[in-house]
Amino acid sequence: DTAVSQTPKYLVTQMGNDKSIKCEQNLGHDTMYWYKQDSKKFLKIMFSYNNKELIINETVPNRFSPKSPDKAHLNLHINSLELGDSAVYFCASSQSVRRIGNRYGYTFGSGTRLTVV
Amino acid sequence: RKEVEQDPGPFNVPEGATVAFNCTYSNSASQSFFWYRQDCRKEPKLLMSVYSSGNEDGRFTAQLNRASQYISLLIRDSKLSDSATYLCVVITWSNTGNQFYFGTGTSLTVIP
Repeated sequence: DTAVSQTPKYLVTQMGNDKSIKCEQNLGHDTMYWYKQDSKKFLKIMFSYNNKELIINETVPNRFSPKSPDKAHLNLHINSLELGDSAVYFCASSQSVRRIGNRYGYTFGSGTRLTVV
Repeated sequence: RKEVEQDPGPFNVPEGATVAFNCTYSNSASQSFFWYRQDCRKEPKLLMSVYSSGNEDGRFTAQLNRASQYISLLIRDSKLSDSATYLCVVITWSNTGNQFYFGTGTSLTVIP
């Protein structure tokens, strides 16, 4: 059973298109995240939702819009794709960010490799 | 100043060597620390938590120095399979809840 699953695994698309990436977790976690990892391998947080509530919204172009229909799903929609959007996008989930402790179970999906041509 | 800083490397070491990575953090209120491992073209995966008293898992030892605000990872008797990028993670409380800060990662290549 895949704990955090993302689809699609690979996405090749032309500039200007609109695309979506889906993420689902079956770990019972309350918090989900989207990260972007570019060619320099730096993992940068984009968004975070806790129980469907947006709690982190980093400086990301408004072409990127996350949607969390329930706490087990966090999707990412990208409008008007640009060459610079090419990267690997990782979804992740963890125990609630509002709890204190050392066991968050922070788990990543296997990533979506987006190539904009 | 970045929340978490790591030397990106690369570290190229021969098999059997001992190698250590450090990671510094800027917020003295940070309360939880982890090391993650990321293989090429794969997702980051939890390697080990870092406890105040230090902890060991086989060939891996993690330590926390709160006074100097750094965590370290020591790998003994390096294996070829240890080649990967190692990311430190620091968790700091904020008014919206815990914030997870990832370092940029340290690249390790173990050479035969």
